[in-house]
Amino acid sequence: GQNIDQPTEMTATEGAIVQINCTYQTSGFNGLFWYQQHAGEAPTFLSYNVLDGLEEKGRFSSFLSRSKGYSYLLLKELQMKDSASYLCAASSGGYNKLIFGAGTRLAVHP
Amino acid sequence: DADVTQTPRNRITKTGKRIMLECSQTKGHDRMYWYRQDPGLGLRLIYYSFDVKDINKGEISDGYSVSRQAQAKFSLSLESAIPNQTALYFCATSPQGHETQYFGPGTRLLVL
Repeated sequence: GQNIDQPTEMTATEGAIVQINCTYQTSGFNGLFWYQQHAGEAPTFLSYNVLDGLEEKGRFSSFLSRSKGYSYLLLKELQMKDSASYLCAASSGGYNKLIFGAGTRLAVHP
Repeated sequence: DADVTQTPRNRITKTGKRIMLECSQTKGHDRMYWYRQDPGLGLRLIYYSFDVKDINKGEISDGYSVSRQAQAKFSLSLESAIPNQTALYFCATSPQGHETQYFGPGTRLLVL
């Protein structure tokens, strides 16, 4: 079967670093996406990893290990506006289909 | 102006009614998708279309139908709405040969 697991909720302090983990089991895996979604709004693209390793983009970094079926999203210098849900999604098969995890709701507090 | 728009943004309907949710895009993307989002379940794919003549069922297509009227327009219909179709519905687009999907603002649907 196909499965994406990520923690339901996390809390962190403003200015700190937080790591959101995601494990996946999918057939025909192509790559791993991270999206950010504020409450009641559309998901917005954060990152896409195809190869193993870390990709850095400003305060956000994403890591992928294809052999372990594992990814994480690292958020540095947390700001209050980073309070949102973070969706892990695996691209699977030849038709650009995304399989989403249930999302991790991150609360950043002062 | 938004690249992907959805109408209506909110809708309340009664069990058994037929309703249509519409999605339009100005991004020039070939591929379009409909998802529903329920608390604790994440986004689930209902239908997807790779061009005007190509329509495919997703994970949860029962009770739904779609129409790709043009490259820029993809509509989702509920022929006879039922309460468990209450959800947040998102349309998304992606360009051919590229995997990133771009989402519309969503339609919040309540079926009484």
